[in-house]
Amino acid sequence: GAGVSQSPSNKVTEKGKDVELRCDPISGHTALYWYRQSLGQGLEFLIYFQGNSAPDKSGLPSDRFSAERTGGSVSTLTIQRTQQEDSAVYLCASSLKRSTSEQYFGPGTRLTVT
Amino acid sequence: SQKIEQNSEALNIQEGKTATLTCNYTNYSPAYLQWYRQDPGRGPVFLLLIRENEKEKRKERLKVTFDTTLKQSLFHITASQPADSATYLCALSSNDYKLSFGAGTTVTVRA
Repeated sequence: GAGVSQSPSNKVTEKGKDVELRCDPISGHTALYWYRQSLGQGLEFLIYFQGNSAPDKSGLPSDRFSAERTGGSVSTLTIQRTQQEDSAVYLCASSLKRSTSEQYFGPGTRLTVT
Repeated sequence: SQKIEQNSEALNIQEGKTATLTCNYTNYSPAYLQWYRQDPGRGPVFLLLIRENEKEKRKERLKVTFDTTLKQSLFHITASQPADSATYLCALSSNDYKLSFGAGTTVTVRA
């Protein structure tokens, strides 16, 4: 079956612009996660969705970052007024339920802010 | 503050040997621990999960141990193959959804 997909795969933007990153989770997966991975760093948790609700937004670095999920499926991560320090790979993952189950990751979106 | 540390050095081993990776943590009481594999340009892929009350888990050529007293997990790849070359990430969770990841250890298996 189809795995987690993300778009775009690469995004280059100018400092100060807004960007939207999209994640399509595996069908039927109720839990969805966003992470950020900077060069040589571990994955940094950003936000968790259960259905369309986000019970944990604690990892969002600033109020320039927001995310939503609609229809219990597609999620969008929006970064407003991008800064150079936002450059990283943004990874989305989904899991069957909110539990100790494994997370399935997408290929990521590489964001470069110039 | 909570910290997760994996082998700081990359691991280079000969094909057929066993690779042993460490994951140490501090200021953490994980309920479970997971290991993932990540290839360049790709997202991580789940390998194994071990719970706090389990000492050891095996899957094919992979073995994971979890010592909550030492606050350490060991990840072994036996009879290693060049196809095992990748970065391996450990991830801990103390609740039922949020994973905290280590920076990873890069393994290169020489033919």
